[in-house]
Amino acid sequence: DAGITQSPRHKVTETGTPVTLRCHQTENHRYMYWYRQDPGHGLRLIHYSYGVKDTDKGEVSDGYSVSRSKTEDFLLTLESATSSQTSVYFCAISERNSGGVETQYFGPGTRLLVL
Amino acid sequence: AQSVTQLGSHVSVSEGALVLLRCNYSSSVPPYLFWYVQYPNQGLQLLLKYTTGATLVKGINGFEAEFKKSETSFHLTKPSAHMSDAAEYFCAVNSGNTPLVFGKGTRLSVIA
Repeated sequence: DAGITQSPRHKVTETGTPVTLRCHQTENHRYMYWYRQDPGHGLRLIHYSYGVKDTDKGEVSDGYSVSRSKTEDFLLTLESATSSQTSVYFCAISERNSGGVETQYFGPGTRLLVL
Repeated sequence: AQSVTQLGSHVSVSEGALVLLRCNYSSSVPPYLFWYVQYPNQGLQLLLKYTTGATLVKGINGFEAEFKKSETSFHLTKPSAHMSDAAEYFCAVNSGNTPLVFGKGTRLSVIA
């Protein structure tokens, strides 16, 4: 158990409203990630963070922003939600061993429905 | 750029039969390879990983995978399927300092 929680676990919202999803970790890992999972697409990287206030874009970052003001929290914001952002969102953290090998561990996911 | 191809979006096997889930990767540098499993309404759980060394990697729940550089493959196997193995399986690749790249997943059904 990598100590990752996501909130909320389920959310229904309307098109055009802002939405913020939270990922919280308890083990002080440097790297954190946000993915979305959609049928037929697997997991696609939205944004990731390699430290407080250090973030970078992933494959599908349009329409999303992130913030990391504390090591333990990584927030994903949909500034103006659209129906195409209906998805399951997963947060992940990564551990690196002494050899530099990175292994990711995932949170339980947030189901978002945009009407 | 790295990529992963999982052959077969859905595989169905009988209980007790061999499970074979196929994964081919593309990477210009030595890859690190991973298999994750996702049970319904849950997050992804690490099954096994290959980094360096022994090319046959054993994971949890009786699964194993073999890294074959010449074939750019990392297929997942289990000798005897159990009903509890029904889930979605994801292959992923990175090279240490890059984010993971995932395949699109293979849904495994186990028939009694």
